[in-house]
Amino acid sequence: DTEVTQTPKHLVMGMTNKKSLKCEQHMGHRAMYWYKQKAKKPPELMFVYSYEKLSINESVPSRFSPECPNSSLLNLHLHALQPEDSALYLCASSQPDRGPFRKLFFGSGTQLSVL
Amino acid sequence: DAKTTQPNSMESNEEEPVHLPCNHSTISGTDYIHWYRQLPSQGPEYVIHGLTSNVNNRMASLAIAEDRKSSTLILHRATLRDAAVYYCILSSGTASKLTFGTGTRLQVTL
Repeated sequence: DTEVTQTPKHLVMGMTNKKSLKCEQHMGHRAMYWYKQKAKKPPELMFVYSYEKLSINESVPSRFSPECPNSSLLNLHLHALQPEDSALYLCASSQPDRGPFRKLFFGSGTQLSVL
Repeated sequence: DAKTTQPNSMESNEEEPVHLPCNHSTISGTDYIHWYRQLPSQGPEYVIHGLTSNVNNRMASLAIAEDRKSSTLILHRATLRDAAVYYCILSSGTASKLTFGTGTRLQVTL
């Protein structure tokens, strides 16, 4: 199984809603990532978890709250988002201990629209 | 992270070879060169990576210049399914992040 599964595939939410994005992998990877991708732009790194601990936060606003409850799951909790947060949110995983080479496996993403 | 420069777009005819260039003049000695591609409505997928020597796999070949300041991804016979955005990325040391550049949008026509 070389898949990273993201749910839901599409999400529409209001600015006062609270929602969560979920990501799951069963490849035994111990590093997991959240990327944000605006239309026709490259993915931008948001967070990196290594061995279930947050290792990188790319100065993401606190309305985005990541969580890694175990080695297979990664969540992104959303609260009080703005319309400009509408984007494709991509999850990825990799083995963390491969030095400068890490082969990332990406999910298909959650397309988020904030109204 | 060192920066990469790629053409915004390229076109190819089906079943012809495609050479996708990438400049990385500020590459350091420990930087790996990665290529990912993103098909429409999908997440990026790994294509190939290398350090100093040319590399081949079932998807593509990677040709790395002797001074490592540039590299070329080679698709030997482009198909319509190869139409995607191709990203050239550098990573180094113990960096646990990949920073995507703007990429090259490849169009493949019959």
